[in-house]
Parts: sequence; C-alpha cells; structure tokens
Amino acid sequence: QKEVEQDPGPLSVPEGAIVSLNCTYSNSAFQYFMWYRQYSRKGPELLMYTYSSGNKEDGRFTAQVDKSSKYISLFIRDSQPSDSATYLCAMDRDDKIIFGKGTRLHILP
Amino acid sequence: SAVISQKPSRDICQRGTSLTIQCQVDSQVTMMFWYRQQPGQSLTLIATANQGSEATYESGFVIDKFPISRPNLTFSTLTVSNMSPEDSSIYLCSGGGGGAKNIQYFGAGTRLSVL
Repeated sequence: QKEVEQDPGPLSVPEGAIVSLNCTYSNSAFQYFMWYRQYSRKGPELLMYTYSSGNKEDGRFTAQVDKSSKYISLFIRDSQPSDSATYLCAMDRDDKIIFGKGTRLHILP
Repeated sequence: SAVISQKPSRDICQRGTSLTIQCQVDSQVTMMFWYRQQPGQSLTLIATANQGSEATYESGFVIDKFPISRPNLTFSTLTVSNMSPEDSSIYLCSGGGGGAKNIQYFGAGTRLSVL
C-alpha cells in the first residue's frame, strides 16, 4: 500500500461548481498536510497547509483533515477556469514531503 | 515564504554529456531538495542538499550520477551526469524550513531533453 493515494483524474467540472479533491494515507505519523497547485510547465505552488484535524478556510479554498480516517480533502467553491491545474496533496515525514500523484482538474467555461 | 530561482529553465542535451542545474533561494532556508518529475507524474525526491556536506540520496539515486553541491544556505546545484534519454524529465529544486513545519517552496523547474 502506498503511503499517499490520490486519484489522478482527470476531473472535469463546469464553472461555478464546487470541486472536491481527496487523498488517503496510511502513515499515522504524518503531521502536516499540504495542498500544492501546479499549472502546466510550472513548479508546484503551495496552496494550503494544515496541522490538525478539522477545517481550514482561505477564500474559495477549504482544506479538511480527518486523522481518524486518514483522509484529507480540498474543496474549491465557485470554481473558475483559472483553477484548472494539477492539485497535489502532500504530507511530511522525517523532514521530507511525500506527494500524492496529483489530480488533474479541468474547469469548463 | 521563499522565492526559488532555477536555471536553465530548459535544455536539450546529447547523450553522454552532463548538465548542471542551479538553484538560488531569496532567503536562508534550512533545507533544500532536488526532485524529478516525469510528465504527468508526481514528484520523486532525488536527494536532500546539505550545506557544507554530502547530500543525502534517496533509494535509486547515487552521487556519481547526480552530484549535488550546497556551498551556502541559499544556493545549490544538481548535475545530471553521463546523460541518457531516460534522464529526460523535469528537475525541480525546493527550499523549506524543515523540522516540524516542513513547508517547501518550489522553483519553476528545468525541462531536460536528452537526445
């Protein structure tokens, strides 16, 4: 079983819809949980990070962590075509970051 | 946060040659890392660049193939040696604080094609 599992998609949704992106993990030692956004031909950009279980909101983005289920989510409200990118979940272990495969998201105008 | 500058942004190289990629951070960071990303794939950690000492390599990556230097807290280089077409990939540098809050910031990457 991989440490971090993420559905690669692609996921296509109409503009304005709520997007839900998810990852599961197997290592209960993970403490910090991150979401990176990567546009085509660019490096990953840190979008959000959370430490504890619960929700963290930043504008249209909400990160959710459920440590008991080893499940994290990123919600995007009022999705825009500019949100079209690959979203990678990531978790820290031993001073390293373990990345999911990334989910390709397409927001259809 | 930190701003990571990486160069070259892309290169096309001949088999058997070597390429050195440079990474500059705009502020001192504790940790610097080098990753490889195949098209459409996630990031694979090559090594942790340690200041003033040998890099720490992940399984499957060796110093002879990927020598790394980090002479100070804001600069590192990765060399891809004796290249083959299998080395064609995107190489990414990142910098971060390390420790309990290991948030990493990434450069734009170097797109390498080996003919």
